Amino acid sequence: NAGVTQTPKFQVLKTGQSMTLQCAQDMNHEYMSWYRQDPGMGLRLIHYSVGAGITDQGEVPNGYNVSRSTTEDFPLRLLSAAPSQTSVYFCASRPTGQVTYNEQFFGPGTRLTVL
Amino acid sequence: AQSVTQLGSHVSVSEGALVLLRCNYSSSVPPYLFWYVQYPNQGLQLLLKYTTGATLVKGINGFEAEFKKSETSFHLTKPSAHMSDAAEYFCAVSVPFSGSARQLTFGSGTQLTVLP
Repeated sequence: NAGVTQTPKFQVLKTGQSMTLQCAQDMNHEYMSWYRQDPGMGLRLIHYSVGAGITDQGEVPNGYNVSRSTTEDFPLRLLSAAPSQTSVYFCASRPTGQVTYNEQFFGPGTRLTVL
Repeated sequence: AQSVTQLGSHVSVSEGALVLLRCNYSSSVPPYLFWYVQYPNQGLQLLLKYTTGATLVKGINGFEAEFKKSETSFHLTKPSAHMSDAAEYFCAVSVPFSGSARQLTFGSGTQLTVLP
């Protein structure tokens, strides 16, 4: 299994540009999520999904859109990038069900800079 | 609302010395607690977790943590630091979010430096 994969690894955008961060997992996990990591702030939840066709907002959803058309993929869209969105973005997944205790598997991250 | 506080954004220890990384949490419901490690330019890797049962949990690479409900703490320890332990460590608590699936709330992280 490849686990959780993310592309691209690095990206530089200009203010106002749009882009999509890709995330895929091959573990058949129902639950997927996106976090952003900023210095001194840990990881903050942007959006999450508990299955195909179901998404919901996390702690910091503004400026980001998501969709979940398949179990495997959970892309994150920036419609109009802003410098405040400069961050490292992590995708994570886990099976649903109480037995998992919410242990999540993380991708390697995408480092995004918005100029 | 739940929160996680990690005391000390940077901790330095000598190789072979005790590692102690502090984590305190607040939660209105029984929490599940985790420690993750992040090596440079990599994603997060689970070190250990507390769910129910034994309050002293052992993880990978010789790390362990003890859940102390009375102190709302989940400190991470390792008896003898190794150079390869240099990384950033995150404490996280899992609690219900908006009445739905449990979500992870992370602390701000502690950067561990191991000195030769």
